[in-house]
Amino acid sequence: GAGVSQSPSNKVTEKGKDVELRCDPISGHTALYWYRQSLGQGLEFLIYFQGNSAPDKSGLPSDRFSAERTGGSVSTLTIQRTQQEDSAVYLCASSLVSGVSSYEQYFGPGTRLTVT
Amino acid sequence: SQQGEEDPQALSIQEGENATMNCSYKTSINNLQWYRQNSGRGLVHLILIRSNEREKHSGRLRVTLDTSKKSSSLLITASRAADTASYFCAISSRGGSEKLVFGKGTKLTVNP
Repeated sequence: GAGVSQSPSNKVTEKGKDVELRCDPISGHTALYWYRQSLGQGLEFLIYFQGNSAPDKSGLPSDRFSAERTGGSVSTLTIQRTQQEDSAVYLCASSLVSGVSSYEQYFGPGTRLTVT
Repeated sequence: SQQGEEDPQALSIQEGENATMNCSYKTSINNLQWYRQNSGRGLVHLILIRSNEREKHSGRLRVTLDTSKKSSSLLITASRAADTASYFCAISSRGGSEKLVFGKGTKLTVNP
């Protein structure tokens, strides 16, 4: 596929359960980002991966959130012991990053997470 | 806050009219980007303008950047009903990682 894909598209889980969200970036894009969008909070940055560099985790809201990127491609965002305030749309994006040049980010369709 | 702030929060116009949305920010930027979102999903990139650029065009879109005023504007000319969406500015800060900090968006409604 040509675009960023995410799975699942929707996830309903009970409070306290763990969830894993998956992102497949555009082939060849070295940078991968996770954001979340919730009512009243807008779009919030969560974490950024670039090549083999240490990820920028400055946006993760608590230690219940973690993410990894295997082989420089697919990424998984894990939320442990989910809370109702974790309900949001989780968006993944990828881009090219080359030296000091920045490029547009391409977003996936998102995963809508509902914690009951 | 580094967050961009869009103005107005909501805008309703008739087809054929122009729509102007503004974005103000507080930090030094690497670049500023505009995105469109339909129905709460699927962010689509519109234009990226770098800190050393003042104006960019793409079809019916025109983006300006004034770094002295820390502001940007997005102009959509000859609007269409299909332009109805939420529009966000996003800041990539100088000296930071490539993460984007988004504003809360302008909800544009174009009435046929």
